[in-house]
Amino acid sequence: DTGVSQNPRHKITKRGQNVTFRCDPISEHNRLYWYRQTLGQGPEFLTYFQNEAQLEKSRLLSDRFSAERPKGSFSTLEIQRTEQGDSAMYLCASSWDRVSDTQYFGPGTRLTVL
Amino acid sequence: SQQGEEDPQALSIQEGENATMNCSYKTSINNLQWYRQNSGRGLVHLILIRSNEREKHSGRLRVTLDTSKKSSSLLITASRAADTASYFCATEDSNYQLIWGAGTKLIIKP
Repeated sequence: DTGVSQNPRHKITKRGQNVTFRCDPISEHNRLYWYRQTLGQGPEFLTYFQNEAQLEKSRLLSDRFSAERPKGSFSTLEIQRTEQGDSAMYLCASSWDRVSDTQYFGPGTRLTVL
Repeated sequence: SQQGEEDPQALSIQEGENATMNCSYKTSINNLQWYRQNSGRGLVHLILIRSNEREKHSGRLRVTLDTSKKSSSLLITASRAADTASYFCATEDSNYQLIWGAGTKLIIKP
């Protein structure tokens, strides 16, 4: 399967712990996006990369959140000192570097903070 | 913040009927996209319509875009049980960001 993959699919953690999620985009896609989705809502943009450069960050991304894409391939999203409000589905998407190109989404990582 | 607003929030119809969902947005866009999400699953891209297009078809899907009214509609014809899902519109702005609505929950009754 050459789609976008995310690991883990589910993560349960205690408040105050750090968590890290991984996203493997479709190979050769230049752009990689992270979104957060809570129940009954549409996704909210968090950040995006063009190759290894992080070009845009939402104000939703507090200093507890950090994302990397070190070699322009896979990406990680880390949340430090998790809070119950961080509980959500974290979605990753990738696309080509072209105007009006489709974003392909992974299955998401569901985070539950107890 | 969410730009798109889907209408209705929920829609329940009989199998075989047509389903129409609407989306309104606020700012200028490069394109507007419709996605489907089944319960607990990832988002699947359905169709993209560019800002200079007015109508697009893909199988049983028909999308219209009215940039003067900043609105779009998604029509699913001859609905099937498998069409049961949440449908989201997303607008792409000049920074290539997708801004999403809260979705329409569609239920197809057999």
